[in-house]
Amino acid sequence: QSALTQPASVSGSPGQSITISCTGTSSDVGGYDHVSWYQHHPGKVPKLIISDVNSRPSGVSNRFSGSKSGNTASLTISGLQAEDEADYYCGSYSGTSTYWVFGGGTKLTVL
Amino acid sequence: QVQLQESGPGLVKPSQTLSLTCSVSGGSISSASSYWTWMRQHPGKGLEWIGYIYYSGNTYYNPSLRNRVIISVDTSKDQFSLKLSSVTAADTAVYYCARRGSGRHFFDLWGLGTMVTVSS
Repeated sequence: QSALTQPASVSGSPGQSITISCTGTSSDVGGYDHVSWYQHHPGKVPKLIISDVNSRPSGVSNRFSGSKSGNTASLTISGLQAEDEADYYCGSYSGTSTYWVFGGGTKLTVL
Repeated sequence: QVQLQESGPGLVKPSQTLSLTCSVSGGSISSASSYWTWMRQHPGKGLEWIGYIYYSGNTYYNPSLRNRVIISVDTSKDQFSLKLSSVTAADTAVYYCARRGSGRHFFDLWGLGTMVTVSS
């Protein structure tokens, strides 16, 4: 069982918006503004899409956005496109004892 | 641009040591102030951070694996390695190498991953 809880799957139609949640504890998500999100197309290299809760690395579409409230972080993808269909993982720094925790991943299906 | 590539045996026998190497291309492993990282993903499960080595040689490990893990770096070859001892079927996973930049709290570069199966 993963340290961070994500829904196993979400779906949406092209053009719609979806949100993926990532729930942790006050020791990880709630305790640090160091939540990151990764997009993984099977068979390809995982890609960082959000860092430090809501920062987008250079080159990442502004359709991707992140936020956090308490112990839950969220990834929102607006204007869904077929190419967004992938697995999405959240990760959080969790201090100098356990260092890093991740979610179980969410499979996004674009209908 | 910097790229990472994992290599190593795809099959390891129980009780033996799993050994993987990550090759860094397009840049020097010692020129960037980075934490060179190993992650894994069990079949159908989420990611698990195994540990990382700072470019200076300091290592940091997941407490749950600390007793069995060694991460080392070979700057002459621009490679870093993972050794996981006394493996069991529970260590069957896709193993990824990745990079965390110094002072940063995310992993901005990943390898493709390599599947390792523990079986006799």
